[in-house]
Amino acid sequence: DAEITQSPRHKITETGRQVTLACHQTWNHNNMFWYRQDLGHGLRLIHYSYGVHDTNKGEVSDGYSVSRSNTEDLPLTLESAASSQTSVYFCASTRARGDTQYFGPGTRLTVL
Amino acid sequence: GEDVEQSLFLSVREGDSSVINCTYTDSSSTYLYWYKQEPGAGLQLLTYIFSNMDMKQDQRLTVLLNKKDKHLSLRIADTQTGDSAIYFCADLVDSSYKLIFGSGTRLLVRP
Repeated sequence: DAEITQSPRHKITETGRQVTLACHQTWNHNNMFWYRQDLGHGLRLIHYSYGVHDTNKGEVSDGYSVSRSNTEDLPLTLESAASSQTSVYFCASTRARGDTQYFGPGTRLTVL
Repeated sequence: GEDVEQSLFLSVREGDSSVINCTYTDSSSTYLYWYKQEPGAGLQLLTYIFSNMDMKQDQRLTVLLNKKDKHLSLRIADTQTGDSAIYFCADLVDSSYKLIFGSGTRLLVRP
């Protein structure tokens, strides 16, 4: 069955370190998204991609970057982790506008 | 920017109906969604409604849309303890694939 996976599921890192969170989907969806979930804020969009080599900033993109070298993967990089980036991160993908966005299981990141 | 708001918490007794409410500001909304998140898990799509519909029913779930007031509700009939979760309302931003989420409503079902 097609799926979307994230790794690691849990990560603890130190302030200033570079961290990369992986997202991999096997639906062959062109559209992929990264969200962060924080209490009281719901899910907020960090970055998104509509296809290979395409990346776009979401509403909370500062301090994050993504790259899309193939259809299946959209890794999220924190260039220099900050305590404010402690959160749960979700990756999602969708085939077309209006179709279901399928979510990964999430990565809980703690920045000490 | 566009915004989606929900109440934070709802508590009901098992067997009762639950109604979770959501308001949105996007005047050109085309799709509105309800997602469910169980503890430690990702989001699971429950149902969605097109903006040209007033109501959609899917087994125990009924979605009502008042486009004039920009108000969306999710009714769960015969609520069970397994329905305890966080429910998110989401609006598909016009001409894009981006979802704007509310902050989520935590539903607690008491035995």
